[in-house]
Parts: sequence; structure tokens; C-alpha cells
Amino acid sequence: QKEVEQNSGPLSVPEGAIASLNCTYSDRGSQSFFWYRQYSGKSPELIMFIYSNGDKEDGRFTAQLNKASQYVSLLIRDSQPSDSATYLCAVNLSGANNLFFGTGTRLTVIP
Amino acid sequence: DTAVSQTPKYLVTQMGNDKSIKCEQNLGHDTMYWYKQDSKKFLKIMFSYNNKELIINETVPNRFSPKSPDKAHLNLHINSLELGDSAVYFCASSQAARWANGYTFGSGTRLTVV
Repeated sequence: QKEVEQNSGPLSVPEGAIASLNCTYSDRGSQSFFWYRQYSGKSPELIMFIYSNGDKEDGRFTAQLNKASQYVSLLIRDSQPSDSATYLCAVNLSGANNLFFGTGTRLTVIP
Repeated sequence: DTAVSQTPKYLVTQMGNDKSIKCEQNLGHDTMYWYKQDSKKFLKIMFSYNNKELIINETVPNRFSPKSPDKAHLNLHINSLELGDSAVYFCASSQAARWANGYTFGSGTRLTVV
């Protein structure tokens, strides 16, 4: 089992809809969880981080963490074509000094 | 004023050659990383340095050798390049005590071995 798993997609949603991206992780002791957005040919950029169970909202983005079920999700409300990118989930596994990344989910927002 | 800068951005070279990629950060971070991103977008840790000291050395061929002359620089030297080394290599930095900020990535170096 990989440390961090994501559905590779592609995920297509119409403009204005809610996009839901999911991520599961293997290490129950993991503490820190991140979502990065990567446009084609560009470097990953941090858009959200979450430590505590529950929801964390930042503008149109909401991160949700459920440590008991070992999953973290990202909701994008009112999706825009500019949100079309690959979204990478990253986890700081317990005892590790680095982030482990999932393979990413490619999101396409259709105008 | 680029926070994490990598050079070169593109590198095309023949099999068997030796090449280097340079990385510099001006964020005052104490930890730097090299990640390799394959064609399927999977980012895999290769090395990590904290204050010039190697702290992570994942299972990569010993043809790859990192060097950190100071905590603002982390270079990657690759000997005897192989076709399978073709990928995008990202440098990143972080402040180890401040995980909330995650990593800051460089713009990447697309290495193509022909």
C-alpha cells in the first residue's frame, strides 16, 4: 500500500459546480496534511493545510480531515476554469522529516 | 526576487554524460529537498538537507550525489546519465519547525536524456 493515495482522475466538473478531491494515507500517526495545486509545466503551490479533524475553509476551498478514517479531502466551491490543474495531496508521516505526496488528481473545469 | 531558484530550467543531454542542477533559496529556511517527478506526476523524495547536514537519502542510485555548501544552496550532481533519469527535478525548502508553511518549490528542471 502506498503511503498516500489519490484517485488519478481525470475529474471533470462544470463551471460553478463543487469539485471534490479525496486522499487516503497509510500512517495513522500522521499529523500534517497539505493540498498543493500544480498547473501543467509549473511547480506545485501550497493552497491548504490542515492539522485537526474537521473542516478548514479558505475562500472557495475547504479541507476536510478525518483521522479515524485516514482520509483528507479538498472541496472547491464555484469551480472556475482557472482551477483546472493537478491537485496533490501531501502528508507528513509520523517520524518523517519530509512530505509524502500522492500521485495527484487531474481536475478539469468545463466552461 | 525568486524565493527558490533552480538552474537550468531545461537540460537535454546524452546518455553517459555527467550534469549538475543548482538550487538556491533566499527564504532563510533551514531545510532543503530534492524531489523527482515522473511522467505520471508522482513526486518522490530523493534527498533532504537540514543546515547542510544530510538527513534523508532515499533509495536512489549512487550516481546521484547532492551537495550543500551552505544552508541556502543544495546542488544535485548526476553521473553517467541514463534514459530512466529523464524527469522533472524539483528543489524545495522549508523551515522544519514551521510545518504550517509547507514547502516552497523551485520552478523545476526538466531533464531529458537522449
